[in-house]
Amino acid sequence: GAGVSQTPSNKVTEKGKYVELRCDPISGHTALYWYRQSLGQGPEFLIYFQGTGAADDSGLPNDRFFAVRPEGSVSTLKIQRTERGDSAVYLCASSAGRGDGELFFGEGSRLTVL
Amino acid sequence: KNQVEQSPQSLIILEGKNCTLQCNYTVSPFSNLRWYKQDTGRGPVSLTIMTFSENTKSNGRYTATLDADTKQSSLHITASQLSDSASYICVVRWGSARQLTFGSGTQLTVLP
Repeated sequence: GAGVSQTPSNKVTEKGKYVELRCDPISGHTALYWYRQSLGQGPEFLIYFQGTGAADDSGLPNDRFFAVRPEGSVSTLKIQRTERGDSAVYLCASSAGRGDGELFFGEGSRLTVL
Repeated sequence: KNQVEQSPQSLIILEGKNCTLQCNYTVSPFSNLRWYKQDTGRGPVSLTIMTFSENTKSNGRYTATLDADTKQSSLHITASQLSDSASYICVVRWGSARQLTFGSGTQLTVLP
């Protein structure tokens, strides 16, 4: 596609439920990032993929968070046993993985945990 | 610790006025600095990139400066428009290509 696509755009769930957020990066982009953004804050790094592998998952807050990118394109961020503190906008970005490293962001998935 | 501090946290100006946003960083080793504009409910979009050797770069009404010695950057917006209302985020790249530190952003509101 022309840009980074994220679905769903909005997700409301109850505490304790399982959530999946999907990211479809720009075609050909090898690098993919997940960020979490709270109101009035800059994006907070969660995980980085280069191809299919998670090259850096140091930003994942705990083991309830997991992300995959099985074929090196689409990625899914998975959150188990959601908590109210997980409420945020989850941004996905992709880049060509070379050059000056400009990130191209999706519009985000807004997660609300009740 | 690598940090990026932005000021002011928020700013309100009248349409047609100029403004300057500040970004100070302690990131090392420096690779580049990018300013992103984030409209409400949207993802950030790159405005301009500054490398170590660049002092000033313009993109339309946006002019970014970089002082690598003092580790400061600014984004100047000329003749503001209502559509400039957004959050402006300073992002510094350090080390390898994937290592980024984000500022918290400056929320700019342009009033008619």
